[in-house]
Amino acid sequence: ILNVEQSPQSLHVQEGDSTNFTCSFPSSNFYALHWYRWETAKSPEALFVMTLNGDEKKKGRISATLNTKEGYSYLYIKGSQPEDSATYLCAFCSGGSYIPTFGRGTSLIVHP
Amino acid sequence: NAGVTQTPKFRVLKTGQSMTLLCAQDMNHEYMYWYRQDPGMGLRLIHYSVGEGTTAKGEVPDGYNVSRLKKQNFLLGLESAAPSQTSVYFCASSYPRTFGGTEAFFGQGTRLTVV
Repeated sequence: ILNVEQSPQSLHVQEGDSTNFTCSFPSSNFYALHWYRWETAKSPEALFVMTLNGDEKKKGRISATLNTKEGYSYLYIKGSQPEDSATYLCAFCSGGSYIPTFGRGTSLIVHP
Repeated sequence: NAGVTQTPKFRVLKTGQSMTLLCAQDMNHEYMYWYRQDPGMGLRLIHYSVGEGTTAKGEVPDGYNVSRLKKQNFLLGLESAAPSQTSVYFCASSYPRTFGGTEAFFGQGTRLTVV
């Protein structure tokens, strides 16, 4: 079982705050790292697929970075809005199986 | 384009009953997965399939069986339901083996309660 850790487990911020989360994964046999956004009562939806060390991806106010050598990825949200409230999941795919192994997620609540 | 469709969306079972959850995808994806989601546990892989006619165990396979007779369908069976199988079940599919692969696309989930 691959060890994929996310921190913090939950986060409460005020509207307009910027925030970031961490995903740690095995540094060997890397294939891809995914970030998903999961709103309550909905299905997870992909934000980013990251494959190369040093990758930086951006979608609106959300961005992510990747360090495969040390085994971590950061997700940043700039100027959080209440609609950003969701659980953010990362998933690690190894080169052996390609199967996404998910972390437990970071629950973000943005207060107006 | 429907993506990934799960049926049923909700189900209540009595202990010992059996049922089958159906997952269908129309994206011609090779890989399909069944996950369960429990509070504080994230998504845990039950079984997966890397192609038609193949299945494999994931992290928490006990009490479940699967079949993938057609590429577009992945069935999850509970032979004798137990209260510990009360959970939300998600099916997903992906096409991982091109360079970089694709992300997983999820169905809408099945909320199963075993009483």
